[in-house]
Amino acid sequence: QVQLQESGPGLVKPSETLSLTCTVSGDSISGFFWSWIRQSPGKGLEWIGYTYYRGSSTYNPSVQSRVTMSVDSPAKQFSLRLTSVTTADAAVYYCARGHRVDGGHYYFDYWGQGALVTVSS
Amino acid sequence: DIQMTQSPSSLSASVGDRVTITCRASQSIGGFLNWYQQKAGNPPKVLIYGASNLQGGVTSRFSGSGSGTDFALTISRLQPEDFATYYCQQSFSFPWTFGQGTKVEIK
Repeated sequence: QVQLQESGPGLVKPSETLSLTCTVSGDSISGFFWSWIRQSPGKGLEWIGYTYYRGSSTYNPSVQSRVTMSVDSPAKQFSLRLTSVTTADAAVYYCARGHRVDGGHYYFDYWGQGALVTVSS
Repeated sequence: DIQMTQSPSSLSASVGDRVTITCRASQSIGGFLNWYQQKAGNPPKVLIYGASNLQGGVTSRFSGSGSGTDFALTISRLQPEDFATYYCQQSFSFPWTFGQGTKVEIK
């Protein structure tokens, strides 16, 4: 079955860069929209953006100036990079597979277990 | 951004009850509405996509309805494993946004 696993530092200093990687197993990375979503008590669930398997990306304007997503298809990995973090970026970060079906509907059908990221000096 | 507002924020119900959660979008989103269930310590799990399509492997106790701005998730006969938090999410336009969640608790 499809599995996603986030990896990366759990502690990031303010003003530094948050970097996470998601490794996909059980299926091809082709044909899907690979998303990052974060969840914090204060903001609930927030979609950060996605990177398409061919490399194009779409980001939430709330973080667009600070975020970069990329995909490494041969390695079956995709990555998130968020610069100049503040305490407001502290959250559980999920990677998720975005699936597009007939009718143009997109939804997240597989998720990683989540990576807790704390922002503190 | 399209704002998604769920009601109620929480509810208490008994096993066997019929439960309905509503989700309202700040503008029309057609049928581009998904529902997720999240249990403590776990990621969300998709239940319904496209407002009314049951995701494969999800029990038929769950059903979704609505279009435009008003949507509903109904659990026909609440089971112990259904106690969780439920979220709606729109995929009509970027940025994709979620509702604030509805926590279903045991009465």
